Amino acid sequence: DGGITQSPKYLFRKEGQNVTLSCEQNLNHDAMYWYRQDPGQGLRLIYYSQIVNDFQKGDIAEGYSVSREKKESFPLTVTSAQKNPTAFYLCASSIAAGGFKDTQYFGPGTRLTVL
Amino acid sequence: AQSVTQPDIHITVSEGASLELRCNYSYGATPYLFWYVQSPGQGLQLLLKYFSGDTLVQGIKGFEAEFKRSQSSFNLRKPSVHWSDAAEYFCAVGAGPSNFGNEKLTFGTGTRLTIIP
Repeated sequence: DGGITQSPKYLFRKEGQNVTLSCEQNLNHDAMYWYRQDPGQGLRLIYYSQIVNDFQKGDIAEGYSVSREKKESFPLTVTSAQKNPTAFYLCASSIAAGGFKDTQYFGPGTRLTVL
Repeated sequence: AQSVTQPDIHITVSEGASLELRCNYSYGATPYLFWYVQSPGQGLQLLLKYFSGDTLVQGIKGFEAEFKRSQSSFNLRKPSVHWSDAAEYFCAVGAGPSNFGNEKLTFGTGTRLTIIP
């Protein structure tokens, strides 16, 4: 079955450590996205990539980094510079790179807790 | 820049009753509008979307939404809810094709739906 996988489902890290969240899709989609979800705030865009080896900052990119070396993979690194990293992180993909009219398909999410 | 308002944080409905979830958007040009549903601890699933044409849009699971340009609204409706509809619902607006370089999907803060027997 095609879809988006995110791992791990739960992640704990100590303050000051970097951590990388995995996102893989086998939908052959060009575009991929990372969102952060906090209670009562909806989803906020961190980074997005419309094509391999290219990505753009979203609304809240500070303290995060990404790479897009393969079409199917878009890992997100939460760095120690992120002041409040505890959140639910969602990865999504869409079929084409031509704007945001295309349906975004979401993974099951990773819940990151900083101890 | 576009924005989305979902004025109801939490709604409780009896099973079998009708449902309407409100969504108001702000965007200067023709928007792309979406409704997503999220079960607890899960990702989001698309219910329906509107780009142009018929202002009444049918989606999955018996949901529909109506685009009203004059009211800047895109309310989600269902004539009879089931206990399995309990979830969080998000409205989202996407910038249209004339806004190259500023394309993004802006989500509302969500409405949590509780179903009582």
